[in-house]
Amino acid sequence: GAGVSQSPSNKVTEKGKDVELRCDPISGHTALYWYRQSLGQGLEFLIYFQGNSAPDKSGLPSDRFSAERTGGSVSTLTIQRTQQEDSAVYLCASSLAMAGMNTEAFFGQGTRLTVV
Amino acid sequence: GENVEQHPSTLSVQEGDSAVIKCTYSDSASNYFPWYKQELGKGPQLIIDIRSNVGEKKDQRIAVTLNKTAKHFSLHITETQPEDSAVYFCAASGPGGNEKLTFGTGTRLTIIP
Repeated sequence: GAGVSQSPSNKVTEKGKDVELRCDPISGHTALYWYRQSLGQGLEFLIYFQGNSAPDKSGLPSDRFSAERTGGSVSTLTIQRTQQEDSAVYLCASSLAMAGMNTEAFFGQGTRLTVV
Repeated sequence: GENVEQHPSTLSVQEGDSAVIKCTYSDSASNYFPWYKQELGKGPQLIIDIRSNVGEKKDQRIAVTLNKTAKHFSLHITETQPEDSAVYFCAASGPGGNEKLTFGTGTRLTIIP
């Protein structure tokens, strides 16, 4: 079936504008992650959703960042009042995480965000 | 929370030689250790993973070893080929309530023809 789908693939926005990034995980996957990757850098954890549990928001860099996961499926990452330092590739991943047993996380192609 | 360190940050090897990338983790409760390969412009893809009840796992030219006592794990690529050139990330995650993946900082591997 289809893999993890992210949209848009590229987004250019003006400083101060709000943006929404979308992630469609693999059907049936209970866990969903958002990571940020700056140019040539590693994967910075942002937020983690697992089933009906409260999301782990410990990686969100500021209160300008928020994320939702509706109906346990699609997720939206929102960045308000964007700043130039928000420019990065935003990666979403999903996995069929089960209690006490981790499984492969599948990544989308990412959304490249450029704030000008 | 979990902290994963990865070394080296860059690695160049001659085609046909072996490459080794090492990671350490901090949380002794972590029990799942995947390795991801990221090619330019793409999302990371799993290449191999290991669980804490196993010390070594092999898949053709790729192997991973885990030392739970020392809290470190390594990726070994033998008979390297140009298509192995990429950025490699290790990660760790734990059981119930700590399943999120924590990644290392990545290793850029370059295979010299």
